Amino acid sequence: EAQVTQNPRYLITVTGKKLTVTCSQNMNHEYMSWYRQDPGLGLRQIYYSMNVEVTDKGDVPEGYKVSRKEKRNFPLILESPSPNQTSLYFCASSLSRTGGSYEQYFGPGTRLTVT
Amino acid sequence: AQSVSQHNHHVILSEAASLELGCNYSYGGTVNLFWYVQYPGQHLQLLLKYFSGDPLVKGIKGFEAEFIKSKFSFNLRKPSVQWSDTAEYFCAVSTTDSWGKFQFGAGTQVVVTP
Repeated sequence: EAQVTQNPRYLITVTGKKLTVTCSQNMNHEYMSWYRQDPGLGLRQIYYSMNVEVTDKGDVPEGYKVSRKEKRNFPLILESPSPNQTSLYFCASSLSRTGGSYEQYFGPGTRLTVT
Repeated sequence: AQSVSQHNHHVILSEAASLELGCNYSYGGTVNLFWYVQYPGQHLQLLLKYFSGDPLVKGIKGFEAEFIKSKFSFNLRKPSVQWSDTAEYFCAVSTTDSWGKFQFGAGTQVVVTP
């Protein structure tokens, strides 16, 4: 089944404790992206990747890191999480290298709480 | 930088009523436009998209949207809603000079009552 998977689905952590949220897709998509969803703000793009080893900032990259060492995986790293990073995170992938021309397939979301 | 605004944050309507959700964007160049839907407890999924050509696009589940370039708008419509259309709806924009970057609107929560 074609899908985007994220792990963990739920995470409660403390300020400053490094964490990684994994994202994997099995559709051989070139484009992947991370978003955070907050009430009243919709989805805001954190980082995106056009292909392996090619990443770029979205609108809210501060406090996050990403890497794209292989095509199927695009982990999101929070080196020192803070409470303002409490949010619902979505990973998405898309077939096209350009990203904008094809629909994005979204993962199930990861609900992160930082205390 | 481009931005996307959705006019209504909450809409409540009865089954069989017509639905129209507004979406405006601020960008003067060529855009790709999308409407996504998020049903309770489910992933976001694409309803419809516009890249070029006929400004009236039809999507899944009876939804359609009209791109009006002069108004920078991409409004979503459905003539007769069902209870199962209860969901959150997001408008999204990407531009041809910033491939890979997407802006989403804040979303509109639609509740359809039986």
